[in-house]
Amino acid sequence: EPEVTQTPSHQVTQMGQEVILRCVPISNHLYFYWYRQILGQKVEFLVSFYNNEISEKSEIFDDQFSVERPDGSNFTLKIRSTKLEDSAMYFCASYGAYSTNEKLFFGSGTQLSVL
Amino acid sequence: SQQGEEDPQALSIQEGENATMNCSYKTSINNLQWYRQNSGRGLVHLILIRSNEREKHSGRLRVTLDTSKKSSSLLITASRAADTASYFCATGGGSQGNLIFGKGTKLSVKP
Repeated sequence: EPEVTQTPSHQVTQMGQEVILRCVPISNHLYFYWYRQILGQKVEFLVSFYNNEISEKSEIFDDQFSVERPDGSNFTLKIRSTKLEDSAMYFCASYGAYSTNEKLFFGSGTQLSVL
Repeated sequence: SQQGEEDPQALSIQEGENATMNCSYKTSINNLQWYRQNSGRGLVHLILIRSNEREKHSGRLRVTLDTSKKSSSLLITASRAADTASYFCATGGGSQGNLIFGKGTKLSVKP
């Protein structure tokens, strides 16, 4: 089965630093997402991206966050100035829009630790 | 908004037993999905049930949906130690917008 790939699997950074989390969605998918999960809590929606623009974002996705699809394959999440509370597992997901269901394919996640 | 909410929060059973997890939601839906998450890993899609369906099977999984009660259940029959994971229900998704997840049920299957 096709996979969504995320790198790195773990990222440790100092508070105030910028981080970029990378994702390679499934190649012919059209919708892309970032979710996060703080340890022990529910998976929370951050942002969705379609047709080279943000289609929806949550309250969590403030000005410190940005997404980009710099080329035909990568989808990145940038956190400009990390805070301690940004520590979480970040999941990328993609969706094909041509499939018969709304199944999202998730990557294995990037564990971000902000010190 | 809190959409899917699962119960119980944690469930511990012996291998071979059945495990039932429930999910309630608040707004109208087109479908409801169940995902599994092994500890520290990504989410794996298990099964989707549409709002016009009442029951769906996939292997050892059985999902029911009661739109009048805004609830769904996931039954895992003849559980195995490898079923140990957290299980989440989610609504929305795809072209309908973002998936909203519940808090999950942590299932522990003891050998």
